[in-house]
Amino acid sequence: GESVGLHLPTLSVQEGDNSIINCAYSNSASDYFIWYKQESGKGPQFIIDIRSNMDKRQGQRVTVLLNKTVKHLSLQIAATQPGDSAVYFCAELETSGSRLTFGEGTQLTVNP
Amino acid sequence: NAGVMQNPRHLVRRRGQEARLRCSPMKGHSHVYWYRQLPEEGLKFMVYLQKENIIDESGMPKERFSAEFPKEGPSILRIQQVVRGDSAAYFCASSTGQDFTGELFFGEGSRLTVL
Repeated sequence: GESVGLHLPTLSVQEGDNSIINCAYSNSASDYFIWYKQESGKGPQFIIDIRSNMDKRQGQRVTVLLNKTVKHLSLQIAATQPGDSAVYFCAELETSGSRLTFGEGTQLTVNP
Repeated sequence: NAGVMQNPRHLVRRRGQEARLRCSPMKGHSHVYWYRQLPEEGLKFMVYLQKENIIDESGMPKERFSAEFPKEGPSILRIQQVVRGDSAAYFCASSTGQDFTGELFFGEGSRLTVL
């Protein structure tokens, strides 16, 4: 069935570097995407979202890029900090609007 | 404004027992979602409820699992006759309505361990 998935299960970066976390989705009908951050033992925390009529959206230190042609989503974190270490999930909204479908997650580790 | 509150945070049950997980949504939120997360995996949708109404339960197993969101009180996810495969973290999230416009606020989760 259609699903949202991640390219890489783990990503290790040096503090201060930029991080890029990728996500592939297969449901071309999805029109809303969200990135969540989940720290160990905690619930997912909203980072940033983007609608399909946009290809880029910026937040504080984070940018989400959407390429609908290849069904690819990415999260860029500028000047990565140790506090950014977590699992990052992309999620897509079903067209029915009643539920989010989550990918499997990427573990980001920031080395000092 | 308190966030989504879940309890218990940790629950241990023996096979065959019942587990009840509670979720109080954020103030002003009338829509509740339940997700299950197995270790090292993503969150899987289970059920979406509005007060006194189940909107979408397509992700919930047909047997042993049930959910409710009464007019008064928290939403409850109930698992009867638990098995080891039910061991997981169960997350609740809430929103203001069906028109999904942004954040879905998650609780800290209830971690169920079945012995």
